Amino acid sequence: DIQMTQSPSTLSASIGDRVTITCRASQNINNWLAWYQQKPGKAPNLLIYKASTLESGVPSGFSGSGSGTEFTLTISCLQPDDFATYYCQQYDNYPWTFGQGTRVEIK
Amino acid sequence: EVQLLESGGALVQPGGSLRLSCAASGFTFSSYVMAWVRQAPAKGLEWVSTINTDGVSTFYADSVKGRFTISRDNSKNTMYLQMNSLRAEDTAVYYCAKKFGYGYALDYWGQGTLVTVSS
Repeated sequence: DIQMTQSPSTLSASIGDRVTITCRASQNINNWLAWYQQKPGKAPNLLIYKASTLESGVPSGFSGSGSGTEFTLTISCLQPDDFATYYCQQYDNYPWTFGQGTRVEIK
Repeated sequence: EVQLLESGGALVQPGGSLRLSCAASGFTFSSYVMAWVRQAPAKGLEWVSTINTDGVSTFYADSVKGRFTISRDNSKNTMYLQMNSLRAEDTAVYYCAKKFGYGYALDYWGQGTLVTVSS
């Protein structure tokens, strides 16, 4: 199985900060990498797919980059609505696997 | 408007069975790959199962293989998850989600249904 490792597990930041979350795959996943945002008690929401393609309707302040095994999610200017937990997911091979999540909290 | 509505979650004893349903509307259901993803209390996301558009190709996490069965009825715009031999570790919110096809991710998720396995 492909292991997905996110860092950090928790991130404390302020409104307006630039935030970067890293996701590392245990093997090449051919850029089949998605990022989701989840708020407490809610379903996940797709932000990015194919490593860097912004899902329709997602604010342009979110961006994804990387290839092979190393990927990043960047929030260019943190907004109040962005405080949430973020997950990466590989869908290159079954079983699909998620990272453990990164909680972005208010500093 | 796209809607995915899960139902069927309940409190069940260990060893028991449940069938979850996911009713879809607002899109061409038969054109989408569908999946179940679960989240145990205060834990992360875990992929459970996926079914292709034809309903023939199915995939399972090792943790549920042989106990859970995914299916779909394209005439009813509904996906199912038959869960047998339930264990305490199956306790979770179960989400259904859709995926357009190869190269696309899970682009819309339902609100989830809670399954609690406890005596």
